Amino acid sequence: EAQVTQNPRYLITVTGKKLTVTCSQNMNHEYMSWYRQDPGLGLRQIYYSMNVEVTDKGDVPEGYKVSRKEKRNFPLILESPSPNQTSLYFCASSLRGGGQAFFGQGTRLTVV
Amino acid sequence: GQQLNQSPQSMFIQEGEDVSMNCTSSSIFNTWLWYKQDPGEGPVLLIALYKAGELTSNGRLTAQFGITRKDSFLNISASIPSDVGIYFCAGRNQFYFGTGTSLTVIP
Repeated sequence: EAQVTQNPRYLITVTGKKLTVTCSQNMNHEYMSWYRQDPGLGLRQIYYSMNVEVTDKGDVPEGYKVSRKEKRNFPLILESPSPNQTSLYFCASSLRGGGQAFFGQGTRLTVV
Repeated sequence: GQQLNQSPQSMFIQEGEDVSMNCTSSSIFNTWLWYKQDPGEGPVLLIALYKAGELTSNGRLTAQFGITRKDSFLNISASIPSDVGIYFCAGRNQFYFGTGTSLTVIP
């Protein structure tokens, strides 16, 4: 089954404790991206990747890192999480940058 | 970054009513996409539009690509309870998403 898998689905952590949210897709898509969803603000892009070893900042990259060492994986790294990064995060992939995006089920992160 | 403004921000309607929402952009897009997010899930594509003026239907859903290329519209006819969720528009170019329209359907 074609899908985008994020883990974990829920995470509560403390300020400053490094964490990684994983994202994996099995559709051989070149394009992958991360979004955060906050009430009233919709989906805002954090980082995106056009292909392996190619990543770029989205609209709200501060406080986040990503890597794309393999085509299928695109982890989101928070080196020192802060409470303002409490949000619902989505990973998405598509065959190309302008095509239909397939989303993961989301990761609800709470930073206390 | 790109700004896509959706309106209305939220809607509360009776089952059976028709729904209209729209999305406007400060820039021209060559593609408009409409997604729906069910509660607790990620967004899923509903309709894709590729040509200015295009009108496309998917069941009870109809979407239009505005002539100016700076706007798009989504209509849902005869709403049912499972239409509840958040509807997002998205423009091409790294997926700029709108702020979303939250739809509640009252049985």
